[in-house]
Amino acid sequence: SAVISQKPSRDICQRGTSLTIQCQVDSQVTMMFWYRQQPGQSLTLIATANQGSEATYESGFVIDKFPISRPNLTFSTLTVSNMSPEDSSIYLCSSFRGDNMNTEAFFGQGTRLTVV
Amino acid sequence: DAKTTQPPSMDCAEGRAANLPCNHSTISGNEYVYWYRQIHSQGPQYIIHGLKNNETNEMASLIITEDRKSSTLILPHATLRDTAVYYCIVRPQNTGGFKTIFGAGTRLFVKA
Repeated sequence: SAVISQKPSRDICQRGTSLTIQCQVDSQVTMMFWYRQQPGQSLTLIATANQGSEATYESGFVIDKFPISRPNLTFSTLTVSNMSPEDSSIYLCSSFRGDNMNTEAFFGQGTRLTVV
Repeated sequence: DAKTTQPPSMDCAEGRAANLPCNHSTISGNEYVYWYRQIHSQGPQYIIHGLKNNETNEMASLIITEDRKSSTLILPHATLRDTAVYYCIVRPQNTGGFKTIFGAGTRLFVKA
């Protein structure tokens, strides 16, 4: 099965700083997705990252707060900028094999972020 | 986007079948039903998916009603390691068709 390596697995950061999370896929993929999971909650989609174009953000998420890079077909980064304690969450990346509707998503193991 | 409704939590005795229901009454004709689970502190894990027919794999069975308005995930012999949050998801059909949008899911507790 497909593998996404995500790092760091966890971090504790000071408020006002930024953290960049990296995801590396074991093969080329068209789309990558970034999610946030607040404590005790379900996953919320932040944005879709396509190689060669700007990321597409979901309602309530903006590029200034969550800049995303997608330099090639196996790698993406999400930066959580100017962090506050409300940003304490698990951040996950995801992708798909194939380009049709009959394919499942696979996920990284997440980055547990605590902002103090 | 089609929405799904799941019970917030369920209990199941170890060794018994766990039947997790999901309602998706606004599902469109070409939208697939997917099930994922998230064990504590891990990323979501794919379980199974289907369009119209019932499906079975090594993990579970998926029963989809004929009108496709609901489905049931069956774990035939639940173990303690199946304790997790189970998400029923209908994949959108539009240009954002690869987005996986999570609802609240069902928290399954498997008890010894």
